[in-house]
Amino acid sequence: NAGVTQTPKFQVLKTGQSMTLQCAQDMNHEYMSWYRQDPGMGLRLIHYSVGAGITDQGEVPNGYNVSRSTTEDFPLRLLSAAPSQTSVYFCASSYGTSGTVHEQYFGPGTRLTVT
Amino acid sequence: GNSVTQMEGPVTLSEEAFLTINCTYTATGYPSLFWYVQYPGEGLQLLLKATKADDKGSNKGFEATYRKETTSFHLEKGSVQVSDSAVYFCALMEAGSYQLTFGKGTKLSVIP
Repeated sequence: NAGVTQTPKFQVLKTGQSMTLQCAQDMNHEYMSWYRQDPGMGLRLIHYSVGAGITDQGEVPNGYNVSRSTTEDFPLRLLSAAPSQTSVYFCASSYGTSGTVHEQYFGPGTRLTVT
Repeated sequence: GNSVTQMEGPVTLSEEAFLTINCTYTATGYPSLFWYVQYPGEGLQLLLKATKADDKGSNKGFEATYRKETTSFHLEKGSVQVSDSAVYFCALMEAGSYQLTFGKGTKLSVIP
């Protein structure tokens, strides 16, 4: 298994540009999520999905869109990039069995710089 | 709302020293508690977890005990190695939720 994969590893955007961060997992996990990591802030949840066709907002959703058309993929879209979105982005996934605590598996991250 | 507070560091220790990283939490329910580790340039990996009061999670020589009375989950290791240099995150997950709430992370550097 490849686990959770993210592309690209690095990206530089100009203010106002759009792009999609890709995330895929091959573990048949129901739950997937996106976090951003900023210095001194820990990780903050952007959006999450409990299954194909279902998404919801996390703590910091503004400026980001997501969709979940398949179990495997959970792309994160920046429609109009802003310097405040400079960050490291992590995708994570886990089994979604209710009532049981499952480990979340994290991808290697995408480092995004917006100038 | 939920929150996690951990000592911010950075923490610098000599090899074979004893490590403690403090973590306390605030939660409305009865959460599960986790320690994640992030090695340089990598994503986060689960280090250990505990799902109920007085549970002790352990892995790779690290331990943490879920203390409900003090709302704490302190990470300890008796003898650190250079390879333990990383950023450590304490986190909680409410029962019935899949969402993790993280502390800000503690950077540990171990010198030979």
